Amino acid sequence: GEDVEQSLFLSVREGDSSVINCTYTDSSSTYLYWYKQEPGAGLQLLTYIFSNMDMKQDQRLTVLLNKKDKHLSLRIADTQTGDSAIYFCAAADNYGQNFVFGPGTRLSVLP
Amino acid sequence: GAVVSQHPSWVICKSGTSVKIECRSLDFQATTMFWYRQFPKQSLMLMATSNEGSKATYEQGVEKDKFLINHASLTLSTLTVTSAHPEDSSFYICSARSLRSEVNTDTQYFGPGTRLTVL
Repeated sequence: GEDVEQSLFLSVREGDSSVINCTYTDSSSTYLYWYKQEPGAGLQLLTYIFSNMDMKQDQRLTVLLNKKDKHLSLRIADTQTGDSAIYFCAAADNYGQNFVFGPGTRLSVLP
Repeated sequence: GAVVSQHPSWVICKSGTSVKIECRSLDFQATTMFWYRQFPKQSLMLMATSNEGSKATYEQGVEKDKFLINHASLTLSTLTVTSAHPEDSSFYICSARSLRSEVNTDTQYFGPGTRLTVL
């Protein structure tokens, strides 16, 4: 089955860029998502990318996909203290189901 | 659009009692709903998938007699934790997906979660 891995922690200074990395194992995963979870809250969809895309940009967020290496990254430009949260990478099949989540990366933004 | 709510947002109960958690899609019809469990500082683990009007499909290792799921309508699914014990304490999150064009069909929309504490 699919296995999704992420680094567990990342600290950056306010105003810097953050890059959160994710790897997955199932090359047939069609949808790759980034979710944000703030303390005690549910998941907020940030962005997602289809497996036939290399890059997607949405305001401060840039998603890069290297399908050959099964590597996904999320770049947050001009990181703010409000970006401090846990970021989950998830992979899903071509029906958008069977979500497999990574362990989450805890982003801390230092003033 | 595409809002999913859960009720209650938190619940504390005594060991041995049953607890029902509701998940509602507020502005769209959810053809499929999912229930996840999240332990502290861990990722989400899928418990079960339910389609409206059908029996839920449980993931391996999830006791279907303990975690009763009902998806009675296109906007409501319930998870009942029966005879809850302290080890059932967790954060339960539901999500909903629609195959109708009213919302993005490529993703699941997540509820805010319900924190269950069993004493």
